Amino acid sequence: GESVGLHLPTLSVQEGDNSIINCAYSNSASDYFIWYKQESGKGPQFIIDIRSNMDKRQGQRVTVLLNKTVKHLSLQIAATQPGDSAVYFCAENMGSGYSTLTFGKGTMLLVSP
Amino acid sequence: DADVTQTPRNRITKTGKRIMLECSQTKGHDRMYWYRQDPGLGLRLIYYSFDVKDINKGEISDGYSVSRQAQAKFSLSLESAIPNQTALYFCATSDSTGYEQYFGPGTRLTVT
Repeated sequence: GESVGLHLPTLSVQEGDNSIINCAYSNSASDYFIWYKQESGKGPQFIIDIRSNMDKRQGQRVTVLLNKTVKHLSLQIAATQPGDSAVYFCAENMGSGYSTLTFGKGTMLLVSP
Repeated sequence: DADVTQTPRNRITKTGKRIMLECSQTKGHDRMYWYRQDPGLGLRLIYYSFDVKDINKGEISDGYSVSRQAQAKFSLSLESAIPNQTALYFCATSDSTGYEQYFGPGTRLTVT
């Protein structure tokens, strides 16, 4: 059937490796960034977020890095597992009361056992 | 039980038919959103509602309409479906900050 992963950049890693997924965001005024994980057949799920006043935030096995100078966001996944295989999206929000999230096109992560 | 539910989960319809996709949430959020997802294009915003009386067009609203029947319910309608509206459709909710959004499981719509 149709896949949301068609034509997406793909990162292939071995189980146990560390993965780094990158995202270039568009608006220098954005003050909030979020990473979502989307498994096949499911809706996007929250992974981790970061505000623009931070450059790094850590969660469980995941770390998000923010470089505002070059408008770049990255998601690091430690000790990648087969269950991490999914499409990963970054999103940004300008932070004003009436703004909405703008999503990137996504990266597919494939983890081989 | 899921916080954000969508019905139907799958739908096949013919060109020219009217179709409604429904979304309900139990998170108590004021803000609700409808997105469309196509392969390689990410999520694109169709309409969003910040409360029952506040509805706004998103990036790709042409050919769609919405109704916010209550705080917990937000419906998306295709008045006259066309094949290029074949896609995955997601509903999402957020609190008043508009930051983290919670997504439903999606509706796969095929227009033949």
